[in-house]
Amino acid sequence: GESVGLHLPTLSVQEGDNSIINCAYSNSASDYFIWYKQESGKGPQFIIDIRSNMDKRQGQRVTVLLNKTVKHLSLQIAATQPGDSAVYFCAERSPGQFYFGTGTSLTVIP
Amino acid sequence: DGGITQSPKYLFRKEGQNVTLSCEQNLNHDAMYWYRQDPGQGLRLIYYSQIVNDFQKGDIAEGYSVSREKKESFPLTVTSAQKNPTAFYLCASAPGQGNYGYTFGSGTRLTVV
Repeated sequence: GESVGLHLPTLSVQEGDNSIINCAYSNSASDYFIWYKQESGKGPQFIIDIRSNMDKRQGQRVTVLLNKTVKHLSLQIAATQPGDSAVYFCAERSPGQFYFGTGTSLTVIP
Repeated sequence: DGGITQSPKYLFRKEGQNVTLSCEQNLNHDAMYWYRQDPGQGLRLIYYSQIVNDFQKGDIAEGYSVSREKKESFPLTVTSAQKNPTAFYLCASAPGQGNYGYTFGSGTRLTVV
């Protein structure tokens, strides 16, 4: 999962396997959450979002799960591909602004 | 295509100099933001603007300045007062209302030499 610090958590998966990336958020009042993908040297790209009144949302090959009880968010990527290699981070919207996690570095092994 | 453009992609600055990073969007978004990204850390908010001619300090505004004279543009100046300016700077925009995430630019890497 994500944490504050100098070293990103890393996850290595075999091509074709499923990936699960976790994020612990801090504010129980956060009402909206987003997962972003960031490739090296580029800006973050929106992947999927979820509102706090939902616990699951599915996109193309991606699923986000929200557990408000333990303030936990996860991103599941099905059939991971080499192009999925990147840093993934979550964002929570607390009243007023978004707060971003430090990210998890995903490496897909061909 | 609509989007948000940051320039330059790479910028080198001598100590003691001010530099300005450009951010332009044609998404008709009301809100714009500047973030700083350092290795192993989450994005930290420098400044944001929710409307033309108005902007607010973020969590790490010291040593930075901005302007918002046009809806499309939100330039960031890194002044000589910023003690550790070497970083990756990201500009973002958002519609301002509703459940929308930010659209990010491709970033500017600033290096002090």
